[in-house]
Amino acid sequence: DIVMTQTPLSSPVTLGQPASISCRSSQSLVHSDGNTYLSWLQQRPGQPPRLLIYKISDRFSGVPDRFSGSGAGTDFTLKISRVEAEDVGVYYCMQATQFPLTFGGGTKVEIK
Amino acid sequence: EVQLVESGGGLVQPGGSLRLSCAASGFTVSSSYMSWVRQAPGKGLEWVSIIYSGGSTYYADSVKGRFTISRDNSKNTLYLQMNSLRAEDTAVYYCAVTTFYWGQGTLVTVSS
Repeated sequence: DIVMTQTPLSSPVTLGQPASISCRSSQSLVHSDGNTYLSWLQQRPGQPPRLLIYKISDRFSGVPDRFSGSGAGTDFTLKISRVEAEDVGVYYCMQATQFPLTFGGGTKVEIK
Repeated sequence: EVQLVESGGGLVQPGGSLRLSCAASGFTVSSSYMSWVRQAPGKGLEWVSIIYSGGSTYYADSVKGRFTISRDNSKNTLYLQMNSLRAEDTAVYYCAVTTFYWGQGTLVTVSS
């Protein structure tokens, strides 16, 4: 199974400041079709997960442009350019390149 | 508008069975790939099963042989039949379409 490792576990951020979350996979996420199926999801308190980014850097419909994804191979990053109060929650990376689909352990973003 | 509404959760004794349903609207279940993902209380996300538009199905090792994913095209509904339930199956179960859209989840509690 592909292991997804996220850092940090927790990220206290000042409103309006940037935040960055790292995700590393135990093997390359490049699929045989050439795509890299790495997604980022946000889970606000008491809410279901919500897709933010798919295929490394494609922003899902309705997601603010302060969220961006980057990376390649085994190393990926989610960046929030200016954190807002509504961004509080847990963020997960997820790979869908190989079965079983696997998630990172989550990074909690909170306001200082 | 895409909507997913899960139902069927509840309290069940170890060894018992439950069938979860996920009623979909705004898209066609049979034309999409649909997943079940679960989240144990206070824990991260765990992929459970997927069914492709062509009918192929895949399962996490932890549920293989006990859970069955299926769909009813006439009802545009996804199902998860869960047998031989264990305490470690206690979780909120989410259905998702291509991980792009998620339901609100249904809680399954396995306890005597």
